[in-house]
Amino acid sequence: DAGITQSPRHKVTETGTPVTLRCHQTENHRYMYWYRQDPGHGLRLIHYSYGVKDTDKGEVSDGYSVSRSKTEDFLLTLESATSSQTSVYFCAISENLNRGGYTFGSGTRLTVV
Amino acid sequence: QKEVEQNSGPLSVPEGAIASLNCTYSDRGSQSFFWYRQYSGKSPELIMSIYSNGDKEDGRFTAQLNKASQYVSLLIRDSQPSDSATYLCAVNNPNTGNQFYFGTGTSLTVIP
Repeated sequence: DAGITQSPRHKVTETGTPVTLRCHQTENHRYMYWYRQDPGHGLRLIHYSYGVKDTDKGEVSDGYSVSRSKTEDFLLTLESATSSQTSVYFCAISENLNRGGYTFGSGTRLTVV
Repeated sequence: QKEVEQNSGPLSVPEGAIASLNCTYSDRGSQSFFWYRQYSGKSPELIMSIYSNGDKEDGRFTAQLNKASQYVSLLIRDSQPSDSATYLCAVNNPNTGNQFYFGTGTSLTVIP
């Protein structure tokens, strides 16, 4: 996806280990988001950022933390991965908070065993 | 009650027909509405946004919004096999939060 990249694309990790997912954008958009997508639940917001060092919790933030030290990078950390965090994680960016829609990254498929 | 509800489908239509996808939402104060298309194994892609009651057309796509009845729909005219995907509805009320609520999506298959 042009302007937004996620890494890694796939990861398998063991229960209890820390995991960090990275989202990088070249669009200079102010807002960045982390979503998870699970069958039957759709996309659910984990955390979002409205500027460097400015973040807030979403609907399903327990067990996750985020950091944004530069406009272009938004990191999602699972402090101690659990099997319930097996999911597909999408990063998204937007220019405006409530209008204009999102551009999504390609996603990270995370499996916790 | 879920914030945003969609019929999961699958919805099957023949090539060239009109596909009609529906979405209802619970927050009457919602003001921003989006439709995304997601191909299997890929990320969602924005196809339509609508903010006021009525119809909005973009090529073969028409979004329809009825705030009084709390539903938003997407019509795809002259459906093509390449339209086969899952369509996600997203809704936002800026006065109550900064997140969009997504439906679980409707799977559409266009039969050649």
